[in-house]
Amino acid sequence: EVQVLESGGDLVQPGGSLRLSCAASGFTFSSYAMSWVRQAPGKGLEWVSTMSGTGGSTYYADSVKGRFTISRDNSENTLYLQVNSLRAEDTAVYYCAKTQVGKGGLDYWGQGTLVTVSS
Amino acid sequence: EIVMTQSPATLSVSPGERATLSCRASQSISSNLAWYQQKPGQAPRLLIYGASTRATGIPPRFSGSASGTEFTLTISSLQSEDFALYYCQQYNNWPMYTFGQGTKLEIK
Repeated sequence: EVQVLESGGDLVQPGGSLRLSCAASGFTFSSYAMSWVRQAPGKGLEWVSTMSGTGGSTYYADSVKGRFTISRDNSENTLYLQVNSLRAEDTAVYYCAKTQVGKGGLDYWGQGTLVTVSS
Repeated sequence: EIVMTQSPATLSVSPGERATLSCRASQSISSNLAWYQQKPGQAPRLLIYGASTRATGIPPRFSGSASGTEFTLTISSLQSEDFALYYCQQYNNWPMYTFGQGTKLEIK
């Protein structure tokens, strides 16, 4: 059974940093790209970042480029998102999701971890 | 950026009836379109990919279709558990996914 579990969300002051983690199981982790998608309170879904299965390619939304860094440890089946220089508008539930085989949609999602940026 | 526009924002339908949700892409995305269902406090769940292929475990009352840049999700006979938020997503410009703003399907 595929499982994806995020952690690391917290209340942080503007300008602060966090590292989000996503532990995956039930599939060959290194064979799949993984993504982060966020959802601000009461709002829609926004793609944040994607990393290829090997870790050789990374992609970012313009809204987070230069502030967020995606990484993965395929030996630990874990995806990370380092979030720096946080702003109020980064407040959201951050979901980790597995990409379908090839370059498809997102077929398995975690339950999300809440990041709140406030003084 | 490919913009996805969903309509209507809210759809009120009675249980047992058919619901039709629409999604339009700002440019051609071939069949690289997915639909997701999200219930309050839960993560999105993949329903349809490739515009018309049901994901694993999705009941046959859910179907997707496409015509050019217009995409439709149809739920043939609404069950109580189907009342939720629905999002379309393009992955033609992978992985720069873009989502529609969502359609809330509510009980009439």
